Amino acid sequence: RKEVEQDPGPFNVPEGATVAFNCTYSNSASQSFFWYRQDCRKEPKLLMSVYSSGNEDGRFTAQLNRASQYISLLIRDSKLSDSATYLCVVNKNTDKLIFGTGTRLQVFP
Amino acid sequence: DVKVTQSSRYLVKRTGEKVFLECVQDMDHENMFWYRQDPGLGLRLIYFSYDVKMKEKGDIPEGYSVSREKKERFSLILESASTNQTSMYLCASSLSRVDTGELFFGEGSRLTVL
Repeated sequence: RKEVEQDPGPFNVPEGATVAFNCTYSNSASQSFFWYRQDCRKEPKLLMSVYSSGNEDGRFTAQLNRASQYISLLIRDSKLSDSATYLCVVNKNTDKLIFGTGTRLQVFP
Repeated sequence: DVKVTQSSRYLVKRTGEKVFLECVQDMDHENMFWYRQDPGLGLRLIYFSYDVKMKEKGDIPEGYSVSREKKERFSLILESASTNQTSMYLCASSLSRVDTGELFFGEGSRLTVL
């Protein structure tokens, strides 16, 4: 079993739609969770950290479910500019992060 | 803005050649990292460094070495390139430990080994 698993997609959604991605992780001791965004042929950039209580940043909402060991990312009112690959990232320990292989989102007009 | 600069965006090398990938960050970050990214495998950590002259093995260090002589510079070395080292290499830096802080990535170096 992979340490971090994501549905690769692609998720093809129209502008204005709401879309959600899940990510499961295997290490129950993990304490830190993040979503990174990677545009085509670009470097990953931090989108948001995921806190135990859940957190929201504009149209983006991240949730953590420790019991089931998954994190989610919800995007409301999708924009064309949201088209990218979303990487789920979980810490292995204080030194190492484990990156998922990413979920590709394509928003169409 | 944090800037992480990788010296070469695209390289083509032959099997057995020695390859240097250079990375420089301008934000006085203590921590620097080298990852490789391959389709279906995600980003995998090769080496990291939390201080000058300090290095730690990541998850896939075989076939690689690193050098950190100055705080702002972290070099990845392939002593004898092989075709299975064809990949996108990403350098990153961070102000704090990875479990608490943001990683800032360079634009990547795409290496092809023939």
